Parts: sequence; structure tokens; C-alpha cells
Amino acid sequence: DAGITQSPRHKVTETGTPVTLRCHQTENHRYMYWYRQDPGHGLRLIHYSYGVKDTDKGEVSDGYSVSRSKTEDFLLTLESATSSQTSVYFCAISDSSGGAWGQETQYFGPGTRLLVL
Amino acid sequence: TQLLEQSPQFLSIQEGENLTVYCNSSSVFSSLQWYRQEPGEGPVLLVTVVTGGEVKKLKRLTFQFGDARKDSSLHITAAQPGDTGLYLCAGPLGENNDMRFGAGTRLTVKP
Repeated sequence: DAGITQSPRHKVTETGTPVTLRCHQTENHRYMYWYRQDPGHGLRLIHYSYGVKDTDKGEVSDGYSVSRSKTEDFLLTLESATSSQTSVYFCAISDSSGGAWGQETQYFGPGTRLLVL
Repeated sequence: TQLLEQSPQFLSIQEGENLTVYCNSSSVFSSLQWYRQEPGEGPVLLVTVVTGGEVKKLKRLTFQFGDARKDSSLHITAAQPGDTGLYLCAGPLGENNDMRFGAGTRLTVKP
């Protein structure tokens, strides 16, 4: 299994509070991603990173920010959590050896289940 | 509306039966991937198909990419309880080729 950990694994918070989720990898992969998974929607890309301090927005980036100060860590921050951000959040990693973009293998972490009351 | 529509949403079958699940889109994809996700875990990549009409086999699983690269199917022969899980298709789309996922087919194989 790829070395990806997410913390915390479960969190309950209140509307309006800031929340930070951490993804840590031991694979030295260049690319890191944050997705959210909701019933009926599958996984949706929030933000991704293609290197230290290099990030870009995904499909559902509003209300989220990210930071990557080290290769191994990718942080997802909800500045002011809302109930619509209740979801399961997955981090994924990939390297650039999979050929064309979209054909690389993404390795997913175990997920963080977030409940915003 | 999902960019990638998967059907059926739910499928419950007996061990030993065959099944096919589908992934359809109105958009053309340069490639499609299939993942399996078990409860409480992240998705795991099963296969990537890149050529229209391509067929790939992985033991009892057969994956096909449509000729027009707008759809894909996954066929499982003689399903086993270990095949139980959520099957997701995904493909790159848009300016940044972000991965887009379908909502998945939840398969239950009863012993």
C-alpha cells in the first residue's frame, strides 16, 4: 500500500469554525490532491498540488484553501466550515510516470469523515 | 447532472452470477479509469483504458472502452463475495484535465 495517512480520521465541528485536514505521504510523489465524496456525486476534486507551493483549483474549490510547504504534506483548510461541507475527504497522490495526464495511477488515503453541525 | 453516468446505481446478485456495469458520457475522454472502493477505504485503481474499442482483462473482470471514447463497461464473470464494493469510473476532462468521477455502482455479491 502507498504510504498515505490522513488526519484526523473523524471530526465533528460547528458551523463557522476553521478546520484543517492533513495529508501526509512517504512516497515522495510530486502530485497531491484533495477530493470530497458525497452520495450521488462520486468524488469531486477540490484542489491539487503539482509541487511544493504550487497548487491549483479543482471543480469545487469555493470555501477551501490548501497549502503545501513540504513534498510530503498537503493541508486542506475550511476557513469557516458550513454544513454543506459535511463530507468524506480523500487525499490522493500520484507521480508523473504514468504517461499522459489522466492516465497516471492515483493512490488514495483512507479518508477523513467530517461532520459540520 | 453527472458528467459520467454510471448504471445501475445498486446491484445485488448471488455468487457465481455474471454482471455488467456501465459508465456513459456525452463527452469524449482521452482515457477512462475504473476504481473499486471498499467501505471505510479510499478507491483503488483497477484499470486504465486509453484506446477506443480497447478491451482489457483482469482475471474475471473485463473492461471495454467504447469506440467513440464516450463510454465504458465492466463485466464480471462468476462474481464472488470479494467483488463486493463501490465501482467508480473516472476520466480527465477540462482545461486542466482534472479527473472527473462517476457516482459509482454499489455491488453486493451474496454467498
